[in-house]
Amino acid sequence: AQSVTQLDSHVSVSEGTPVLLRCNYSSSYSPSLFWYVQHPNKGLQLLLKYTSAATLVKGINGFEAEFKKSETSFHLTKPSAHMSDAAEYFCVIGGGADGLTFGKGTHLIIQP
Amino acid sequence: ETGVTQSPTHLIKTRGQQVTLRCSSQSGHNTVSWYQQALGQGPQFIFQYYREEENGRGNFPPRFSGLQFPNYSSELNVNALELDDSALYLCASSLATSGLDTQYFGPGTRLTVL
Repeated sequence: AQSVTQLDSHVSVSEGTPVLLRCNYSSSYSPSLFWYVQHPNKGLQLLLKYTSAATLVKGINGFEAEFKKSETSFHLTKPSAHMSDAAEYFCVIGGGADGLTFGKGTHLIIQP
Repeated sequence: ETGVTQSPTHLIKTRGQQVTLRCSSQSGHNTVSWYQQALGQGPQFIFQYYREEENGRGNFPPRFSGLQFPNYSSELNVNALELDDSALYLCASSLATSGLDTQYFGPGTRLTVL
């Protein structure tokens, strides 16, 4: 079975400072990994996905993530936080007929 | 291009009743998946339909069932509602069933069971 663990339930940063949301994964084979964002009362939006083409994945709104097999990690970063980034972020693994497996989420708070 | 749509937006039912939720896939997508998101939790996979057949299922009891129609729209049916079924139900469509295919989510249906 595949799984992901989001290491922080809440992260608070000041506007204009870097963002780091941490995710570790477990998989017995090469995984598909995703980061989704969910704003209040909105659906899930795909930020980026890793499917083994390149280890550094660039997404929308300035986010990127690096796949590190040796560390079984897929951390999400952004150089400079914006107020509009405040939301719930989910690290996700899998897909196909087994469906996506979501982490418990990290609530990102942006301080003015 | 039309995105994934779901109806209704909100629904209130009482314990023991039955409910049907609906989803229209993104244009050109033949695969639909359903997820349950309890308050404060990540979504959990219920099942997936591909070309009108269920081809994958998560850890949900048989009272959760579904249908996919020839136009690739889909329904989620829940019988004998329980209080714990209160959640946001999300539908996602994708081009195919591969794990490489991105799943695009609808806005969800908020179900409250009293």
